Amino acid sequence: GEDVEQSLFLSVREGDSSVINCTYTDSSSTYLYWYKQEPGAGLQLLTYIFSNMDMKQDQRLTVLLNKKDKHLSLRIADTQTGDSAIYFCAEMTSSASKIIFGSGTRLSIRP
Amino acid sequence: ETGVTQTPRHLVMGMTNKKSLKCEQHLGHNAMYWYKQSAKKPLELMFVYSLEERVENNSVPSRFSPECPNSSHLFLHLHTLQPEDSALYLCASSQDPPGGTTDTQYFGPGTRLTVL
Repeated sequence: GEDVEQSLFLSVREGDSSVINCTYTDSSSTYLYWYKQEPGAGLQLLTYIFSNMDMKQDQRLTVLLNKKDKHLSLRIADTQTGDSAIYFCAEMTSSASKIIFGSGTRLSIRP
Repeated sequence: ETGVTQTPRHLVMGMTNKKSLKCEQHLGHNAMYWYKQSAKKPLELMFVYSLEERVENNSVPSRFSPECPNSSHLFLHLHTLQPEDSALYLCASSQDPPGGTTDTQYFGPGTRLTVL
């Protein structure tokens, strides 16, 4: 079935780069998304990538897509304390009937 | 700032109560969604409405009853809930339903529901 997997936790030092990884099962997925959820808040769309792209960059964010391995990553350069949040990977299924979310990766920042 | 608002932000209810969650989107979108976020579980899609018609219902118990009176408003009516229904309920909207050209979803802040 359709599934999206992420590691649950990531801890990085302030100023370093954070890389959050995600794997998915639907090789025909069309869009892949990264959402951010800060404490007590709803999900905020960070960025998305269409499945025919390999990379997308937006300021400190870089999304890499490896379709062969069905692997998606989000790199945050110069990680700051304000980046502390849960990051959700999501894919649009090939049937286009729904979006499947991963369990989220909790990013914590060490001083 | 999100164009999707939800009220109330927090709700505590007993198992015999009836309450409703409200979602409103100010983005001119045509599709709206209800999600449930429980601790340590992936986000679960509950209902999808496109142009005020329900297009997806993921085997949600009947104690949850959605209503979409127009494209800007979405309600989730709750009755005889169980303690395991305690969760964050998120509303989202998109220009098109899933599969459309512009189907990126924008989320509201959520309603934190506690069932005693």
